[in-house]
Amino acid sequence: QKEVEQNSGPLSVPEGAIASLNCTYSDRVSQSFFWYRQYSGKSPELIMSIYSNGDKEDGRFTAQLNKASQYVSLLIRDSQPSDSATYLCAVSLATGGFKTIFGAGTRLFVKA
Amino acid sequence: GAVVSQHPSWVICKSGTSVKIECRSLDFQATTMFWYRQFPKQSLMLMATSNEGSKATYEQGVEKDKFLINHASLTLSTLTVTSAHPEDSSFYICSARVSSANNEQFFGPGTRLTVL
Repeated sequence: QKEVEQNSGPLSVPEGAIASLNCTYSDRVSQSFFWYRQYSGKSPELIMSIYSNGDKEDGRFTAQLNKASQYVSLLIRDSQPSDSATYLCAVSLATGGFKTIFGAGTRLFVKA
Repeated sequence: GAVVSQHPSWVICKSGTSVKIECRSLDFQATTMFWYRQFPKQSLMLMATSNEGSKATYEQGVEKDKFLINHASLTLSTLTVTSAHPEDSSFYICSARVSSANNEQFFGPGTRLTVL
């Protein structure tokens, strides 16, 4: 089982819709959870961090964490074509020097 | 967010030569930096963790004698690809951890290496 799993996609949504990206992780005692956005040919950009159960909102982005289910998600409201990118879920383990493990990413396409 | 720079942004070299890539944290001190490699349409692969003042920790399967890492100061880590071959052509990205408390990592813009 991979330590951080994401659906590779592509996930295609129309402009203005809500895009929902999901991620599961295997280390039950993981402490820190991140969402990165990566445009083609560019390096990842941190867009959200979440550390406790529940929702965290930042503009059009909402991260949701459920530690009991080992599940973290990212909602993008009012999706724009400029949101088209690969979204990487990352989890910092509680062991091994707090190494951060990245998922393979979900490709999102927002159709105009 | 914290700013991380990389230099050069791209490099083309001949097979057998060595290439050095610099990673700098511009507005913060980073005790820990990470080096990743990414092939086209593939996910990030962690190569090594670079700790200031100590030897880097390499991931399984990464040759430490081929990929030399030096983290001599709190703002600079370097990756040297020695005796580069075409199969080393890839996108190399560094990141720096701002704080061990929250584990946020900020990435540099990456270096695209092409070995002829």
